[in-house]
Amino acid sequence: AQSVAQPEDQVNVAEGNPLTVKCTYSVSGNPYLFWYVQYPNRGLQFLLKYITGDNLVKGSYGFEAEFNKSQTSFHLKKPSALVSDSALYFCAVRGMGGATNKLIFGTGTLLAVQP
Amino acid sequence: DARVTQTPRHKVTEMGQEVTMRCQPILGHNTVFWYRQTMMQGLELLAYFRNRAPLDDSGMPKDRFSAEMPDATLATLKIQPSEPRDSAVYFCASGNTGSGNTIYFGEGSWLTVV
Repeated sequence: AQSVAQPEDQVNVAEGNPLTVKCTYSVSGNPYLFWYVQYPNRGLQFLLKYITGDNLVKGSYGFEAEFNKSQTSFHLKKPSALVSDSALYFCAVRGMGGATNKLIFGTGTLLAVQP
Repeated sequence: DARVTQTPRHKVTEMGQEVTMRCQPILGHNTVFWYRQTMMQGLELLAYFRNRAPLDDSGMPKDRFSAEMPDATLATLKIQPSEPRDSAVYFCASGNTGSGNTIYFGEGSWLTVV
């Protein structure tokens, strides 16, 4: 069965510092990996995804994520955090085809950026 | 700007009442998902449709929940009778077939059952 783990409930970072939000996954075959962001009282917004190719994926709002197959990780990163980045971040994984073609989400990580 | 549209945005109802939530997927998308979000359980997949046919509803309590797609532009999630433990945010999302395709979420229906 496929699964996603976000080991940190909350990440605190000062504005201007780099940030990392961690994600590890388990899936049969090649993974399709996604990051979404949720602002208060809003729906989930797509940030970026890894399908194939370059392990470093760039997405919206200056975010990027690095796919590491050997460590089964897909950590979200940003070189310089903004207060407006404060939100709930979800990692998600999808397997290939059939019954595994669901998008399964992690439990979410709350990012708090202090001014 | 194409988006998934959900109604109602907010609903407060009494225990035992029927609740119907509606979703208009993005035009051209052929897969529709219903998710439920609570503090305790996080995001749970309730049901999943492809080309209007239900593919997986194993996450949905069968005794009181039902999900349908009467046509390609409308998906519904119904709770009858509603209970306080159903209080949650219900999200609809749509996308196209293919594991690499992105799915897009609506703004959610915020349900409170008192």
